[in-house]
Amino acid sequence: SAVISQKPSRDICQRGTSLTIQCQVDSQVTMMFWYRQQPGQSLTLIATANQGSEATYESGFVIDKFPISRPNLTFSTLTVSNMSPEDSSIYLCSVKLAGHQETQYFGPGTRLLVL
Amino acid sequence: QKEVEQDPGPLSVPEGAIVSLNCTYSNSAFQYFMWYRQYSRKGPELLMYTYSSGNKEDGRFTAQVDKSSKYISLFIRDSQPSDSATYLCASVIQGAQKLVFGQGTRLTINP
Repeated sequence: SAVISQKPSRDICQRGTSLTIQCQVDSQVTMMFWYRQQPGQSLTLIATANQGSEATYESGFVIDKFPISRPNLTFSTLTVSNMSPEDSSIYLCSVKLAGHQETQYFGPGTRLLVL
Repeated sequence: QKEVEQDPGPLSVPEGAIVSLNCTYSNSAFQYFMWYRQYSRKGPELLMYTYSSGNKEDGRFTAQVDKSSKYISLFIRDSQPSDSATYLCASVIQGAQKLVFGQGTRLTINP
């Protein structure tokens, strides 16, 4: 597996503001993803972070709300824009590793509370 | 109907008991199945990964897949208090990127 870190680990934000979450992996990965885990709910894929190009978003998620960057193989950011209390959630990045193509490994998550 | 259904529990058992966690899925295209363990305030940790129908064992954990009935299970033998966590099943279509998760079952092992 790989060591995956996320910053910040948690934050409390005011509505209308934006927060950028960072994900760093200690080894080269083939793919990176961003998931959301709302309170009491399971994980939902937001988007696939593509290196050097626009992310691929799942139905119900748009770039204006969740802009994503992936400037290199081991780093990605997710921004939650113009936040509302409904954005309060845990945001998780995950990766696929070479040789483990069907499994994904998750970071520790970023707990976000929007007031 | 959700693509992957999982009883959210909570499930509480005494230490040493055998635990059975179950999921059903509706999409016949799912080919790979995973179990993740998530401790409170942590990210999901991959426990088991299976492809074919049948059993896969790893220490005290056994993953079972029955593709004919679209049923996946995780068995924990000799359960320990440290096994207390939320267990998530997930499925994926070969070559697809999206893991589809069940709701997760919250498990407590009582000393």
